[in-house]
Formats: sequence, C-alpha cells, structure tokens
Amino acid sequence: AQSVTQLDSQVPVFEEAPVELRCNYSSSVSVYLFWYVQYPNQGLQLLLKYLSGSTLVKGINGFEAEFNKSQTSFHLRKPSVHISDTAEYFCAVSPTTNTGNQFYFGTGTSLTVIP
Amino acid sequence: ETGVTQTPRHLVMGMTNKKSLKCEQHLGHNAMYWYKQSAKKPLELMFVYSLEERVENNSVPSRFSPECPNSSHLFLHLHTLQPEDSALYLCASSQDVVTDRYFGPGTRLLVL
Repeated sequence: AQSVTQLDSQVPVFEEAPVELRCNYSSSVSVYLFWYVQYPNQGLQLLLKYLSGSTLVKGINGFEAEFNKSQTSFHLRKPSVHISDTAEYFCAVSPTTNTGNQFYFGTGTSLTVIP
Repeated sequence: ETGVTQTPRHLVMGMTNKKSLKCEQHLGHNAMYWYKQSAKKPLELMFVYSLEERVENNSVPSRFSPECPNSSHLFLHLHTLQPEDSALYLCASSQDVVTDRYFGPGTRLLVL
C-alpha cells in the first residue's frame, strides 16, 4: 500500500524568503508524484508532477520539486515567496499501476506568507 | 466553460431534503471522481468512474448516490444527510485513472 506524509501542517515564512514544503511517501512499487495548491474557497490546482525522467521538476508560479527515490521524498521548493502563495499545499502519490482508487493525498501543509 | 465546473457552489439543506450536486468536465477526460474535503482531514475519495462505469465505492453511506450519465457529467444525489456530512465536495476528472486529477471549485455543503 502507498501512503503520503506531509510532516509540516503549518509553515509561516516571510515574504521573499525561500520555502521548502516536505513530502515523504511509502510505496513498494513505482509511483508518480504530484503537488497541488488550494487557495481559499477553491478546488485543487496542479502545481507540478513527476512521471519519469529528470528528478528535478519545475512547475507553475516558480515552484519546483525534486524526486529523491532513495529517501522516498518529493519536497516542494520556491526560492522567494509572495503573499499570493499563501494557500494549502497537498502532495499526492499514485502507483504507476493504479486501477482507480489508488491516488493518495497527504493531509496538506498550510503556507502563510508574512508581509 | 473550460476545465471542471461544479454547481451549485454553496448549498444549505436540512436533513430530510433531497438535493443533487452537478459536475461537468470540458477536457475530454475518461475518468471522473467525487471527493469529500473536511476540515483537518485528508481528502476522501468517494467514487470513481472510468468510461462511465463505477470503478470504486469506498464504503460511502448509501445516502450519497452517484450518477454518471456520460463521460462529461457526474452527479452526486444527496438524501437524508447528517450534519457531519457538511464539507466541501470536490469533483475531479483525469485522462485515465493513473494520471493527475483536474479539480472543480467544489460545492460547500452545510447540513442543518
């Protein structure tokens, strides 16, 4: 079975500072990995995804993530955050053999950017 | 309309009411999903449809009844709900069941 752990439930950071949101997963099979963002009163929006190839993945809004197979991690980073980045961030994992219900989300990390 | 749309955006209902949530995807995807998002809890997958066939029902109470008349539309029929069913209900679609989900804006449901 797969699972996703987002170690930090809340991350406050000052504007223009760098941020890293941590995500670890457990799986006995190959996986695809995703990061989503959810702004207040909205649905989830895909930030980036890792399917194969380069382990450094670049997404929208200046975010990037690095897949580390040995550490089973997929941490999300941004070198300089804006106020508008304040939102909930979800990591998700799907085995490459997913038959429909095996798309697992973490519990989310609430990022608050402080002016 | 583009992406995934959901109506209504907000819904207040009594425990004896019957209501339906509607979802429509304009992406040509083959799979659609209902998720429940409650405060401080992980997203809960409720139903999965792939090519209009239900793939999975994660032990959801029978007071929630999904309907998928075609690959672009998904409904969630609600009947005699409980206050603990109050949550944000998110619809999503994907090209297939393995790839990333595209989410709608959600319906904020309050059961009184």
